[in-house]
Amino acid sequence: DVKVTQSSRYLVKRTGEKVFLECVQDMDHENMFWYRQDPGLGLRLIYFSYDVKMKEKGDIPEGYSVSREKKERFSLILESASTNQTSMYLCASSPGLGETQYFGPGTRLLVL
Amino acid sequence: GEDVEQSLFLSVREGDSSVINCTYTDSSSTYLYWYKQEPGAGLQLLTYIFSNMDMKQDQRLTVLLNKKDKHLSLRIADTQTGDSAIYFCAETDYGQNFVFGPGTRLSVLP
Repeated sequence: DVKVTQSSRYLVKRTGEKVFLECVQDMDHENMFWYRQDPGLGLRLIYFSYDVKMKEKGDIPEGYSVSREKKERFSLILESASTNQTSMYLCASSPGLGETQYFGPGTRLLVL
Repeated sequence: GEDVEQSLFLSVREGDSSVINCTYTDSSSTYLYWYKQEPGAGLQLLTYIFSNMDMKQDQRLTVLLNKKDKHLSLRIADTQTGDSAIYFCAETDYGQNFVFGPGTRLSVLP
């Protein structure tokens, strides 16, 4: 079974803090993704990575950066958290681009 | 860009069948998916269908694909309260694009 884990289920941060969200997959997948999910807006792709140290912007990369130093780990970084980044963050991985995506449990982030 | 559409809400009574519909625009779709998201959780892959099939059945789930109309549906027989969730339709052309619909919130009433 594919397993995708995220470092926290719930996180509360203050405006201006630097926030790290970590995602780990154990299936040697090439591709990893970060989405945010907001009511009425569905899933929106923030960034994805198709290889170690490689990254591509998704639809809404502003205010975020990512890091992929190892194949199994993909980190989402909020350099200076803002209240409009309060959201559910979902990580996914897939063997190849366009192939089935497998999701982690999500991190619900609240920025005060 | 490619688009996937779903109605946002559906309510059914326990024991009835639910039918969740999805339309997509990508004529080169290769696989189409249904994911389920329970409250506070990530997306769980429920089932998928290859584009050269028109039906797939898995226990209480039936997926129907009308490729000509670009219409996908998920039928849940004997719907239970545990089926209450958001259901996402998604499609891929097995290239770069993997596109999700907005999700349909299914409410099962006792």
